Amino acid sequence: GQNIDQPTEMTATEGAIVQINCTYQTSGFNGLFWYQQHAGEAPTFLSYNVLDGLEEKGRFSSFLSRSKGYSYLLLKELQMKDSASYLCAVRSTSRSYQLTFGKGTKLSVIP
Amino acid sequence: GAVVSQHPSWVICKSGTSVKIECRSLDFQATTMFWYRQFPKQSLMLMATSNEGSKATYEQGVEKDKFLINHASLTLSTLTVTSAHPEDSSFYICSARVTEGNEKLFFGSGTQLSVL
Repeated sequence: GQNIDQPTEMTATEGAIVQINCTYQTSGFNGLFWYQQHAGEAPTFLSYNVLDGLEEKGRFSSFLSRSKGYSYLLLKELQMKDSASYLCAVRSTSRSYQLTFGKGTKLSVIP
Repeated sequence: GAVVSQHPSWVICKSGTSVKIECRSLDFQATTMFWYRQFPKQSLMLMATSNEGSKATYEQGVEKDKFLINHASLTLSTLTVTSAHPEDSSFYICSARVTEGNEKLFFGSGTQLSVL
């Protein structure tokens, strides 16, 4: 089966940097995704990694190490609007390319 | 990016009634759509994969006779919660994949279902 772990909650200060970790176990790995979800809303796509390394997109960056089954999402220059849940999701060929989501990390940005 | 429209956004119904949720791809054809359910403070849980022109594939533990999925066209999939009960109250979200292996899923805005 698949197992995805990420911290339940994190708190960070406005203007700071925060790193949200995600570890996973899966067969037939075919990509890792990060989504942002505000309460009561649908997730929005943030990033996608399928090869090892860092993908940078503005204030958000995502890193992947396939050998370690590990990814992180890095948020820089935190803003209050970044308060949301961040979902790590893994795509697997063994599950017909479907995404399996982690439970999400609720990030609270404080002044 | 591609747009997926889902409605209604929220619905309140009496126990025992049926509720239909629609998911439309507005500017692309979606051969595959996914239906998720999310309970408070929980992650998205895949319920079923909806394929245009064929029967949906349900995840283990999801009752196919209770959650009816119809994907009659390349732009529309519907989820009908039949004989709804309070434990069915949840946030239901659909998503669509443009092409096989495409790295992005496009999500609908979700439907909050409350069964009294």
